[in-house]
Amino acid sequence: DSGVTQTPKHLITATGQRVTLRCSPRSGDLSVYWYQQSLDQGLQFLIQYYNGEERAKGNILERFSAQQFPDLHSELNLSSLELGDSALYFCASNQRGRDQPQHFGDGTRLSIL
Amino acid sequence: GENVEQHPSTLSVQEGDSAVIKCTYSDSASNYFPWYKQELGKRPQLIIDIRSNVGEKKDQRIAVTLNKTAKHFSLHITETQPEDSAVYFCAARGGQNFVFGPGTRLSVLP
Repeated sequence: DSGVTQTPKHLITATGQRVTLRCSPRSGDLSVYWYQQSLDQGLQFLIQYYNGEERAKGNILERFSAQQFPDLHSELNLSSLELGDSALYFCASNQRGRDQPQHFGDGTRLSIL
Repeated sequence: GENVEQHPSTLSVQEGDSAVIKCTYSDSASNYFPWYKQELGKRPQLIIDIRSNVGEKKDQRIAVTLNKTAKHFSLHITETQPEDSAVYFCAARGGQNFVFGPGTRLSVLP
């Protein structure tokens, strides 16, 4: 158990819909990162938050948005869903400092029908 | 920004042999290099990491080496076992975020 909690574990929805993925970081971790992993692909960095503020942005589509709340949990919102958005979405967290490892949650598997 | 390359993309070894995976990075400011193992359908798990002030680190059958001058780092697994079969990702951190390599699928054949 990494200490990072992601819900839900699975989501099945249709094209055009909107979903929200939730992540609770490890106790004491201020940074949250979101990644997308399509089938047999690598980890695509989407966005990072630190203590409620956006710190870095990767290849995140305009249809996607995220935020980190005062209690440090984070939500990733995906809207106008397309078939190609089907993927595993991972959240990771780490402590302050550039040389601290990330710890990943178990992911949310999103299936678009 | 940082760019991380990883080779090979697939690797098959006989049980008991060694496996080596190599990564190169582009940003000389990167100072932290973790390796993750991901089994099918599961989360990436940290297996070893190295910081830029260290040239080599070992943990039982796993070792990582770092050459800052050449900007490359490698993962070495000795005495491979079937449970080592997985996808391995290297990563580099320089700025705010981590940049991952594309992954190496390791198969350990019995």
